[in-house]
Amino acid sequence: DTEVTQTPKHLVMGMTNKKSLKCEQHMGHRAMYWYKQKAKKPPELMFVYSYEKLSINESVPSRFSPECPNSSLLNLHLHALQPEDSALYLCASSQELGRAFFGQGTRLTVV
Amino acid sequence: DQQVKQNSPSLSVQEGRISILNCDYTNSMFDYFLWYKKYPAEGPTFLISISSIKDKNEDGRFTVFLNKSAKHLSLHIVPSQPGDSAVYFCAASAGFGNEKLTFGTGTRLTIIP
Repeated sequence: DTEVTQTPKHLVMGMTNKKSLKCEQHMGHRAMYWYKQKAKKPPELMFVYSYEKLSINESVPSRFSPECPNSSLLNLHLHALQPEDSALYLCASSQELGRAFFGQGTRLTVV
Repeated sequence: DQQVKQNSPSLSVQEGRISILNCDYTNSMFDYFLWYKKYPAEGPTFLISISSIKDKNEDGRFTVFLNKSAKHLSLHIVPSQPGDSAVYFCAASAGFGNEKLTFGTGTRLTIIP
């Protein structure tokens, strides 16, 4: 199993809603990541979890809250988002340095 | 400040010919480089990587070249196939154990049958 599975694939939410994005991998990878990608831009790192502990937070606003319940799961809790937060949110995992496996992403639209 | 740049937003190549995608970086601390391929509505897929101790790495039709003095790397695809049409991102990381990848701006490659 070399997959990173993200749910949902698409999400539309209002600015007052609370929602969560989910990510799962069963490759035994030690590191899991959240990236954000806007149209025609490169993926931008948001968070890194290493051995289930948050190791990197790229100064992401607190309306994005990551959670790593166990070594296979990674969540991103969303609250009070803005329309400019609309983007493709990518989850990834890796064991080797840099060689990350990406999920298909969640296309998020904030209305 | 874009530390990893791909100056060609798009590239068209005839099927069977060589595709050359270029990438430049500014951070001299980068010592590990990767190429990813991305289809629409999918996540990036790892293609090939190279460590700064090497200047070339080859995997099938894909070869990556690294010129450290010029802070430049390139991806060669030969022969190019229609399924290679996608957006290609180069990425870089700094220091062993550093998990942060910095991505370039991407190049859209179109293979013309």
